[in-house]
Amino acid sequence: KAGVTQTPRYLIKTRGQQVTLSCSPISGHRSVSWYQQTPGQGLQFLFEYFSETQRNKGNFPGRFSGRQFSNSRSEMNVSTLELGDSALYLCASSPYWGSSYEQYFGPGTRLTVT
Amino acid sequence: AQSVAQPEDQVNVAEGNPLTVKCTYSVSGNPYLFWYVQYPNRGLQFLLKYITGDNLVKGSYGFEAEFNKSQTSFHLKKPSALVSDSALYFCAVREYNQGGKLIFGQGTELSVKP
Repeated sequence: KAGVTQTPRYLIKTRGQQVTLSCSPISGHRSVSWYQQTPGQGLQFLFEYFSETQRNKGNFPGRFSGRQFSNSRSEMNVSTLELGDSALYLCASSPYWGSSYEQYFGPGTRLTVT
Repeated sequence: AQSVAQPEDQVNVAEGNPLTVKCTYSVSGNPYLFWYVQYPNRGLQFLLKYITGDNLVKGSYGFEAEFNKSQTSFHLKKPSALVSDSALYFCAVREYNQGGKLIFGQGTELSVKP
């Protein structure tokens, strides 16, 4: 099976712009989560989607949003970019929504905000 | 609130020697515990998990972890380290009924020298 894919892999944006990142989960997986990884804050949970519904949300401002489509693919959007949004954004998928399932991560999208 | 601590930023081990990467956690109920590894410019790879049952969990690449409820610890171990084990290791915890939301430790850089 193909793994989790994320596009694009690298992105450079200017402060104030918006950006959309895409994630395709492992075939058959219906739950998708997003994480932000920075040197200072480490790995932080953004949100989780299952069956096109947001099931959980981390402590991020409303500029960060996401959605999931009927084929389980997911997108996250960051509006009005700030320098501090520069990070590696990781998407992870699991078969179902539930605490016992391990998540499988994609390679990430490296976002640089200038 | 749930939290994870990895007390060592870096662990240095000689090839062939046993290795231990430490992790302690704090959750309000029964914990779901995970170990992930990250190689440079890559996403996270799942190593092993503890959900319930035997306190010694075996995972990928010869790694194992011991769950100790009284000490709230979940240390990662390997009997004989390889140079290729050099990477960044993350411990993560999840609470029951929180779906996929993982709370990660800050990570431990493992360096295995020949």
